[in-house]
Amino acid sequence: TQLLEQSPQFLSIQEGENLTVYCNSSSVFSSLQWYRQEPGEGPVLLVTVVTGGEVKKLKRLTFQFGDARKDSSLHITAAQPGDTGLYLCAGIYNQGGKLIFGQGTELSVKP
Amino acid sequence: DAGVIQSPRHEVTEMGQEVTLRCKPISGHNSLFWYRQTMMRGLELLIYFNNNVPIDDSGMPEDRFSAKMPNASFSTLKIQPSEPRDSAVYFCASSFGMSNYGYTFGSGTRLTVV
Repeated sequence: TQLLEQSPQFLSIQEGENLTVYCNSSSVFSSLQWYRQEPGEGPVLLVTVVTGGEVKKLKRLTFQFGDARKDSSLHITAAQPGDTGLYLCAGIYNQGGKLIFGQGTELSVKP
Repeated sequence: DAGVIQSPRHEVTEMGQEVTLRCKPISGHNSLFWYRQTMMRGLELLIYFNNNVPIDDSGMPEDRFSAKMPNASFSTLKIQPSEPRDSAVYFCASSFGMSNYGYTFGSGTRLTVV
């Protein structure tokens, strides 16, 4: 069974702090995606990474794909209350395969 | 585009009743996915379709669950008979192919079986 582990599971920080969320697997990803989910809504795609070592930036969010394509991280700089939500990583293990989600990281940013 | 449309948003039903959840994918997307989300198990893939054909239903919990996609613009997920342990949020998502470009999710149906 392919397993995607996210850490930490919960994170509560003050506005302005930095944070990093990790996503790890023992298997190689064909591609990996990060989603953000707000209460009462479905997940919304933030980014897709495909190439080992790839780094993508989305404003204050930086996404990194590990060189071996088995892990990824999401770094948020100067977090704001609007960043509060559930962050989910999701991987496709084989090209054309199904998208498997991690358990998510529940982020709370307090003003 | 209105996005992926799911109905109903909320459903409360009694144990043993039949429940039907509906989904309209984004026009032009040819892959459709049904996920279930619970606190304990997170987001689980139940079944997915490609070009209206079911490809993998290995995530469907048991025979009480069935899904259909009669055409490119409509899919249903049916539970018969429903049980309290089926209570969860059910999401439909669509994409263009088995995509590296990401899935677009609907807002979900919150199902409560009492």
